[in-house]
Order: sequence, then structure tokens, then C-alpha cells
Amino acid sequence: QKEVEQDPGPLSVPEGAIVSLNCTYSNSAFQYFMWYRQYSRKGPELLMYTYSSGNKEDGRFTAQVDKSSKYISLFIRDSQPSDSATYLCAMSPELTSGGSYIPTFGRGTSLIVHP
Amino acid sequence: GAVVSQHPSRVICKSGTSVKIECRSLDFQATTMFWYRQFPKQSLMLMATSNEGSKATYEQGVEKDKFLINHASLTLSTLTVTSAHPEDSSFYICSARVGFGQGTRLTVV
Repeated sequence: QKEVEQDPGPLSVPEGAIVSLNCTYSNSAFQYFMWYRQYSRKGPELLMYTYSSGNKEDGRFTAQVDKSSKYISLFIRDSQPSDSATYLCAMSPELTSGGSYIPTFGRGTSLIVHP
Repeated sequence: GAVVSQHPSRVICKSGTSVKIECRSLDFQATTMFWYRQFPKQSLMLMATSNEGSKATYEQGVEKDKFLINHASLTLSTLTVTSAHPEDSSFYICSARVGFGQGTRLTVV
């Protein structure tokens, strides 16, 4: 079993739909949880990051962490064609002494929002 | 801050030559940077951890003599792919803190 499991999709939704992206994990030491968006042939762009359990909202994006179930989610409201990309979840147990994360990534979910 | 800049974004080189990729932290100092490789439709694979002022730490299976990493300052790490072969063609991405560079598409012909 991989440390982080993420369905690769593709997930195809109509414009305006609510999108739910999810990851499960097995390492209970993970404390930091991130969601990245990656367009084709570009580096990942950080969307959200949360520490421990709970919800975090930023515009149309909401991240949820349920540590008891080892399950994290990213919700996108009012999805747009420009949201079409690969979404990667990532998680890390702790910061390094230099203040960096060493994340473990999911394989990414390909999202297609069609007009 | 977590703005990371990577250069070049795309490079084509001949088999047997070496290619250098630069990764810079723009708004912070990074004692640690990370280098990833990504294959099509796959997640990021950590290659090595770049440590300022000391040797890089390589992941299992990554040839340190082939992928030379230098982290000479708190804002710059470089990855040099030496004696490149077509199988080294890939997308290379650097990271520091939660930021990622734009990635470098390397094609070896």
C-alpha cells in the first residue's frame, strides 16, 4: 500500500459544478497537508495548506483534513474551465530544521471542467 | 515567502553532453531545496535534497555522479545532468519550502 493514495481520474465535470478531490494516507505522523494545482508542462502551484485537522477556505477552494480517518479533501465551488488541471495532494510529518517540508505526494487527479 | 524560480524552462541537448538547471529562491533564503523528476501522468519523484554548504542527500536509486547538485548559496541550487542520455529526458522540478519552480523540460537527442 502506498503512503498516499489518490485516484488519477480523469474527473470530468460541467462548468459550475462542485468538485470533490480526495486523498487517503496511511502514515499517522503526517501533520502538514497541501494541495497543489499543476497545469501541463508547468511546476505545481500551491493552492492550500493546512496543519493538523480541520477546514480551511480560500475563495472557491475549501480544504478539509480528517486525521482520524486519514482522509483529506479539496472542494472547488463553481468550477471553471480554467480549473482544468492535475491536482496533487501532498503531506509531510514535520518541518526540517531549515523550515522546509519534505512532502509525500499523491499521483494527482486530472480534472476536466467542460463548458 | 516561497517564490521559487527555475531556469531554463526547456532545454534540448545532444547525447553525451551535460546540462545545468538552476533553482533560485526569490523572496527567502533556503538552506534546503529539493529536486524532483516527473514522468508523464505520474507524480513527482524526489531525487535528492540539496543542502546549502554541504553534500546533497540522494534518494535510493538516483546516481549522484550523474545528477550533480550544488547548493553554493542560500538562494541558489543547481542540478547538472552529466553525460546525458535519451532516457534522462524528463521534467525536472525544484522546490523549497512549499514553493515549486516552473520546471525544466529536458530532451536529450
